[in-house]
Amino acid sequence: NAGVTQTPKFRILKIGQSMTLQCTQDMNHNYMYWYRQDPGMGLKLIYYSVGAGITDKGEVPNGYNVSRSTTEDFPLRLELAAPSQTSVYFCASSYVGDYGYTFGSGTRLTVV
Amino acid sequence: TQLLEQSPQFLSIQEGENLTVYCNSSSVFSSLQWYRQEPGEGPVLLVTVVTGGEVKKLKRLTFQFGDARKDSSLHITAAQPGDTGLYLCAGRADGLTFGKGTHLIIQP
Repeated sequence: NAGVTQTPKFRILKIGQSMTLQCTQDMNHNYMYWYRQDPGMGLKLIYYSVGAGITDKGEVPNGYNVSRSTTEDFPLRLELAAPSQTSVYFCASSYVGDYGYTFGSGTRLTVV
Repeated sequence: TQLLEQSPQFLSIQEGENLTVYCNSSSVFSSLQWYRQEPGEGPVLLVTVVTGGEVKKLKRLTFQFGDARKDSSLHITAAQPGDTGLYLCAGRADGLTFGKGTHLIIQP
């Protein structure tokens, strides 16, 4: 099983550009999450979803959007990229909410 | 907002030594999870403790949940270079709260 797959692995964006970070899981988990990880700051929740068609904001949602049209996919959209969005982004999924996450390997994004 | 404080922030020791890292909060959690993250990878779940006072062992790693379910510890016996990584604790209450982690380096 692949688990949670994130693409791309690395990306450099110019200020004002947009992009979509892809996340797919093959474990039939209902719960999916997007986190960003910054040095010394820990993991911060951006958005989460409890099932297809249902999404909700986390701790740091500004500048991001998500959709959940299928159980497997949970893309994260960045509109008008800003240097403050330079970070490592992790997608995760779980069978039970907030319990026993499986993480992807991350996307390292730099905004210049 | 629940906060989880992990200590120490950084720890570098020699292979074969023992160590303990801590995860503390003033909040009560229904469960406490420990993850290990290696450079360039996502965190990987090591263990979940649920009951106050619970002790779980994973080979040379021993995890304990405090009696009041506000804190946890991770003890590693005879540390090996393969134990090197960022150790994160995460408490489940109103959502899942992550600590900032302990960076552990085991030198050969």
